[in-house]
Amino acid sequence: DAKTTQPNSMESNEEEPVHLPCNHSTISGTDYIHWYRQLPSQGPEYVIHGLTSNVNNRMASLAIAEDRKSSTLILHRATLRDAAVYYCILRDVTSGSARQLTFGSGTQLTVLP
Amino acid sequence: DTEVTQTPKHLVMGMTNKKSLKCEQHMGHRAMYWYKQKAKKPPELMFVYSYEKLSINESVPSRFSPECPNSSLLNLHLHALQPEDSALYLCASSPMIVDGYTFGSGTRLTVV
Repeated sequence: DAKTTQPNSMESNEEEPVHLPCNHSTISGTDYIHWYRQLPSQGPEYVIHGLTSNVNNRMASLAIAEDRKSSTLILHRATLRDAAVYYCILRDVTSGSARQLTFGSGTQLTVLP
Repeated sequence: DTEVTQTPKHLVMGMTNKKSLKCEQHMGHRAMYWYKQKAKKPPELMFVYSYEKLSINESVPSRFSPECPNSSLLNLHLHALQPEDSALYLCASSPMIVDGYTFGSGTRLTVV
């Protein structure tokens, strides 16, 4: 199974952009890159996903490297409410058990006022 | 309604008790899931239901017994649990197995 590597923790200042990196050097051609986040005392929340092209939605942007071996979740203006654990997850929706959402250790984002 | 509702929010049970966790969604999602999350750890998949049938059991001990009575409801029956089973139990649903998941806020279970 393809794995992801994320920093254990990151800090950001409020109202500044945040770039959360994720390495996935063994990604396969059918793996989608998903990001979820988990706020304190909440269940995980879907943020964004992509395959090859960069993606934008109301929550964030996803920048995917040309070789797809890494990606970056971009929060354009961090707020205190963005403090959470961010999970980068690979999902191969064509392949049996790999279709399931399997969480790695994630990055704990702290936003400083 | 775009939520997954889990009840109760907190549960304390003895090792000889029988209790049930409940999960409900009214989004028409046909896949539902149970995850277990220990403190400071990521969620771990326990069970997957697709079209009300159990499709994946991640080698979960038989003291955890899932049930999907209908397409909107998912239960997790608990019996003879151990203190190490204390955790946050999360329910999720998705339109199909390949889609994004919507999670509930979880039931925080303490076994004494």
